[in-house]
Amino acid sequence: GENVEQHPSTLSVQEGDSAVIKCTYSDSASNYFPWYKQELGKRPQLIIDIRSNVGEKKDQRIAVTLNKTAKHFSLHITETQPEDSAVYFCAATFNDYKLSFGAGTTVTVRA
Amino acid sequence: DTGVSQNPRHKITKRGQNVTFRCDPISEHNRLYWYRQTLGQGPEFLTYFQNEAQLEKSRLLSDRFSAERPKGSFSTLEIQRTEQGDSAMYLCASSLDSEPGYGYTFGSGTRLTVV
Repeated sequence: GENVEQHPSTLSVQEGDSAVIKCTYSDSASNYFPWYKQELGKRPQLIIDIRSNVGEKKDQRIAVTLNKTAKHFSLHITETQPEDSAVYFCAATFNDYKLSFGAGTTVTVRA
Repeated sequence: DTGVSQNPRHKITKRGQNVTFRCDPISEHNRLYWYRQTLGQGPEFLTYFQNEAQLEKSRLLSDRFSAERPKGSFSTLEIQRTEQGDSAMYLCASSLDSEPGYGYTFGSGTRLTVV
């Protein structure tokens, strides 16, 4: 299958707090897991990605973890800022080229 | 070449009309993808080209939809006899052959409204 489940669908956090979004995937052959940020009316933009040979990756305030055994991966945003407010999508590759996306998480950072 | 370019940005059409969208990928990217995104959902895969060859079509792509990439550069997506359910954002993306699924670059999309 090509299912990617994403939770939660909405997330409201106080500025400065952390936000965590979790995804699970169905195809054990998936080997690439990107995260996209989409602001209203704009294109999805790649913010971080992880490949299956790595368990964790960090880029400034953003980190992603991958558990291949459990087939789940997570996005962590620390010290959230108002500009982090957006919709975030996780995705997983199928057949080495096709991305299957989660349904998205709307993150709101309260000032 | 600053990225994936899509035209038009917005299209409003009457039900039953045909529409055509264009995508210009990053020049060195030989893989090109079309996705559709409806409100509140993640992008859904429609079709994929490697150079000029269309290698996969989703079951979401009914007979009214056709995509081409005649010279392996730009691509067009045509929808015939549009229906209200076709209203969505149509996104194009491209990637390198050496890293096919990695780091897709999306275009800004064409937002279709069928009235």
